[in-house]
Amino acid sequence: AQKVTQAQTEISVVEKEDVTLDCVYETRDTTYYLFWYKQPPSGELVFLIRRNSFDEQNEISGRYSWNFQKSTSSFNFTITASQVVDSAVYFCALSAYSGGGADGLTFGKGTHLIIQP
Amino acid sequence: EAGVAQSPRYKIIEKRQSVAFWCNPISGHATLYWYQQILGQGPKLLIQFQNNGVVDDSQLPKDRFSAERLKGVDSTLKIQPAKLEDSAVYLCASSFVVVRPSGRVIVHNEQFFGPGTRLTVL
Repeated sequence: AQKVTQAQTEISVVEKEDVTLDCVYETRDTTYYLFWYKQPPSGELVFLIRRNSFDEQNEISGRYSWNFQKSTSSFNFTITASQVVDSAVYFCALSAYSGGGADGLTFGKGTHLIIQP
Repeated sequence: EAGVAQSPRYKIIEKRQSVAFWCNPISGHATLYWYQQILGQGPKLLIQFQNNGVVDDSQLPKDRFSAERLKGVDSTLKIQPAKLEDSAVYLCASSFVVVRPSGRVIVHNEQFFGPGTRLTVL
């Protein structure tokens, strides 16, 4: 069974502060993928990043960065110099790879990020 | 490129009534997913199709939920009869398939989501 835990239910910071969203996962599969999705107030899920279990390199994309640590089963997401437009619910998700193709996503409960001006 | 289309966007019904949701994936995407997102929670996978075949429906409450994708393109999810706890947003997502020269199918993991259908059961 797979499980994704996002312990932070809600985070509130002032604009321009850095903020890290935590994600811890559980899986017995050796090949899997990790994702982050953003869900703004409009409700549509927006893909941010995908990582496979063999690639532990950290990634940076503009103000966003991701830290994947297999040893601690964590895939944390950091926003640098946060902006009001970053306010949204952020979901971490996991998908196993079963050989015949990728499984559906197992999502965490999400972290509601509030950026105050 | 057009995104994943869903209709209706909102639906209000009384318990024990029936309801159907429609999804049209991105053109060329062979894999289609239906998720249920209850308020305050992450989406939960209900069913996954590969073309017109079911890959995974282990979390679909089959006594009241059904889904089909007859021609391998658009899909319909039905609830009959609805219960109060079915109130949620129903999300459809799609992803494309890469086929290796060996014939092995690799499903691209990036799922593109539609806007969802918000169902309220009274």
